Amino acid sequence: KAGVTQTPRYLIKTRGQQVTLSCSPISGHRSVSWYQQTPGQGLQFLFEYFSETQRNKGNFPGRFSGRQFSNSRSEMNVSTLELGDSALYLCASSREVGELFFGEGSRLTVL
Amino acid sequence: AQSVTQPDIHITVSEGASLELRCNYSYGATPYLFWYVQSPGQGLQLLLKYFSGDTLVQGIKGFEAEFKRSQSSFNLRKPSVHWSDAAEYFCAVATYNNNDMRFGAGTRLTVKP
Repeated sequence: KAGVTQTPRYLIKTRGQQVTLSCSPISGHRSVSWYQQTPGQGLQFLFEYFSETQRNKGNFPGRFSGRQFSNSRSEMNVSTLELGDSALYLCASSREVGELFFGEGSRLTVL
Repeated sequence: AQSVTQPDIHITVSEGASLELRCNYSYGATPYLFWYVQSPGQGLQLLLKYFSGDTLVQGIKGFEAEFKRSQSSFNLRKPSVHWSDAAEYFCAVATYNNNDMRFGAGTRLTVKP
């Protein structure tokens, strides 16, 4: 059974640009969650999508957005990048609450 | 709001020794509790979870955790540590109906030969 796939794995952007990250969940999982991981703030919840609807949202500015497609694949977008957006962005899919299966993450560096 | 505290940032144990990683949570109702492990450059892997019932839960890789409501704790244990257990360990809490999980800051485990 294939795991959660995130693309790209690494990317470098400059301030002011925007970025789109992609996540393919495990087959049959309808929930996709996104987390930001940084050394200073740790793991922080961004948002969760379930059946193409945003079910929960963390405390991040509106520059962070996401969506989910009918095949459960999800994308997240960060506009007007800031230096502080440099982080590992983790996607997780699940069938049940809490049983999150994480991808290996997309490491974003903002210069 | 729920929160999780992992008091130990870094722990070093000798291979073969026992291990206990501490986790304290704050939540008004009975929480859903989890332990995840993250190896360098990898995503997180679920070790075990507690929803209800027996307060001692068994997980993968020989790990277990005990839920103690009176102490608001969910400590992770392993009787004998292997070098491959070196990683970062995260305790997390969630409510019953969503995946807005709150993670602790993590405990980095180093295993000495």
